[in-house]
Amino acid sequence: AQSVTQPDIHITVSEGASLELRCNYSYGATPYLFWYVQSPGQGLQLLLKYFSGDTLVQGIKGFEAEFKRSQSSFNLRKPSVHWSDAAEYFCAVAARYSGGGADGLTFGKGTHLIIQP
Amino acid sequence: KAGVTQTPRYLIKTRGQQVTLSCSPISGHRSVSWYQQTPGQGLQFLFEYFSETQRNKGNFPGRFSGRQFSNSRSEMNVSTLELGDSALYLCASSPIPGASSYNEQFFGPGTRLTVL
Repeated sequence: AQSVTQPDIHITVSEGASLELRCNYSYGATPYLFWYVQSPGQGLQLLLKYFSGDTLVQGIKGFEAEFKRSQSSFNLRKPSVHWSDAAEYFCAVAARYSGGGADGLTFGKGTHLIIQP
Repeated sequence: KAGVTQTPRYLIKTRGQQVTLSCSPISGHRSVSWYQQTPGQGLQFLFEYFSETQRNKGNFPGRFSGRQFSNSRSEMNVSTLELGDSALYLCASSPIPGASSYNEQFFGPGTRLTVL
């Protein structure tokens, strides 16, 4: 079964500084990879996804992520954070199936991002 | 286009009771997935419905069940509530089932269930 590890439970970054959130996955093949953001009292919003092709993917709100097969990683980055980026960030994987059902998304435990003024 | 709607937003129940949560997907979306979010276990997949059929189920006891109606609206039911069932229950809708459509998947705001 696939699994996702987000090693950092909390990260504090100063406003305007760069950000990198780590994500490692365990899966027999290359899964579909996702990053979501959750603000307090809100559902999940998709930031970006990797299905195939270019390993550097761009998302919404200025975020990008790089898929590194050799490291089984899919780290999220942003060059300059804003106070509004404070939220919980989740990395997720989903198995690729050629047909039939799916097992849904497998999520990491999340990284809580704190922005210092 | 209206987003995913979940009702109620908040619920308080006592142990042993049962509860039904509702999810209305985005218009045109036919697949609905449910997730449980708790501080200890994080986000966990419950089940996915498409065309009124459960396609997959996560590792949850039989007390957790669901169904989907012909208009794609979905309900989930938890019977014989336990304290550990206290969680945020999230619903997500997508046009079709399967991971390849998850880039078009949208989550609702969730239903916060508290079991006393």
